[in-house]
Amino acid sequence: KQEVTQIPAALSVPEGENLVLNCSFTDSAIYNLQWFRQDPGKGLTSLLLIQSSQREQTSGRLNASLDKSSGRSTLYIAASQPGDSATYLCAVSDGGATNKLIFGTGTLLAVQP
Amino acid sequence: DVKVTQSSRYLVKRTGEKVFLECVQDMDHENMFWYRQDPGLGLRLIYFSYDVKMKEKGDIPEGYSVSREKKERFSLILESASTNQTSMYLCASSFLRLAGETNTQYFGPGTRLTVL
Repeated sequence: KQEVTQIPAALSVPEGENLVLNCSFTDSAIYNLQWFRQDPGKGLTSLLLIQSSQREQTSGRLNASLDKSSGRSTLYIAASQPGDSATYLCAVSDGGATNKLIFGTGTLLAVQP
Repeated sequence: DVKVTQSSRYLVKRTGEKVFLECVQDMDHENMFWYRQDPGLGLRLIYFSYDVKMKEKGDIPEGYSVSREKKERFSLILESASTNQTSMYLCASSFLRLAGETNTQYFGPGTRLTVL
């Protein structure tokens, strides 16, 4: 059974710092991996989606990498800002027609001004 | 813009009550999902539906049922609410994934349910 783990559970950094969030999964037979952002008391917003055949995806200050063979993904945030403070979740899909996702427990990020 | 709406942001119910959580999406998505989110446990799939009147159990269906009478609406039902069902409930929707395609799930804002 696929299990997704995120380390660390919480992270606090000063504004302007570059940071890396980690995600690991136990079964490498994934179709894609997504990173989501969740603001307190809100729903999830998709940030980046990496197909299993890809190594990385970039959007603005965000860069996500995928190493399927080792079961790892990282989300790199450059020049962090207080507005980046949120919970970041990764999720893997097995590629079925219903696109079911298995989520990690998330990393709570606080960027201090 | 895709919009997924949930009927309530906050809900307080008593043990034993029947509870209905409603979710509506406006993008003609085939798939709809109900998750619950608890601290330290992440998001866990309760039920999902891939078509009208079609449903499948997720990882934690016990104590819940669902209804999908129209494509845009997916309801989660707690037949007899219990205190261990106090949680954040999130609804999501997506297109049916065809071979070679990629799609993502779009989430509603969540309903925080408290059962006393």
